[in-house]
Amino acid sequence: NAGVTQTPKFQVLKTGQSMTLQCAQDMNHNSMYWYRQDPGMGLRLIYYSASEGTTDKGEVPNGYNVSRLNKREFSLRLESAAPSQTSVYFCASSERGQQPQHFGDGTRLSIL
Amino acid sequence: AQSVTQPDIHITVSEGASLELRCNYSYGATPYLFWYVQSPGQGLQLLLKYFSGDTLVQGIKGFEAEFKRSQSSFNLRKPSVHWSDAAEYFCAVGAYDTGRRALTFGSGTRLQVQP
Repeated sequence: NAGVTQTPKFQVLKTGQSMTLQCAQDMNHNSMYWYRQDPGMGLRLIYYSASEGTTDKGEVPNGYNVSRLNKREFSLRLESAAPSQTSVYFCASSERGQQPQHFGDGTRLSIL
Repeated sequence: AQSVTQPDIHITVSEGASLELRCNYSYGATPYLFWYVQSPGQGLQLLLKYFSGDTLVQGIKGFEAEFKRSQSSFNLRKPSVHWSDAAEYFCAVGAYDTGRRALTFGSGTRLQVQP
């Protein structure tokens, strides 16, 4: 019963460093999402992938890139980390066209 | 663009008491509406959703929500709260033209349950 698995769970970076957050789901879902969650705010969509090979920008895409490697995996990359990207990042998945249904446990990212 | 307001940042109820969490949305047409729950250190779990039809929707864990168009509200209710319900609750709205994926989330209501 793995569901959505995110790695790593915690990470501390220095400003300017790069990093890739990994996400994998084992439910054969078509759609995958990356969100960020900041204190006092709800989740904000960074990028979305409707199906393998497609990606779309969400509400806050600047400073991020994504790759839908295959149906299972959807990675989020920070090319040059900034303190404003300190956040908790959630990956989610769903059936095609549905709202996000299954979330990972999050990656807590701190950028100094 | 759509928006969501959850007026209560923090609510404390006694175990066994009833619960109502408020959610108000702004959107020009009939929205898609959702409630999610987040336990500490975990991701969100979908509690229930409203797309159309019956305005009272039932969800998991004994929760229900009622869509009131005239009040632009989608309040979450539970008749008797259990200690395990302590968590943060998020209301979300999706617009018909962008589909259910493009959800706007409220800032959340943290529920504390007293013994």
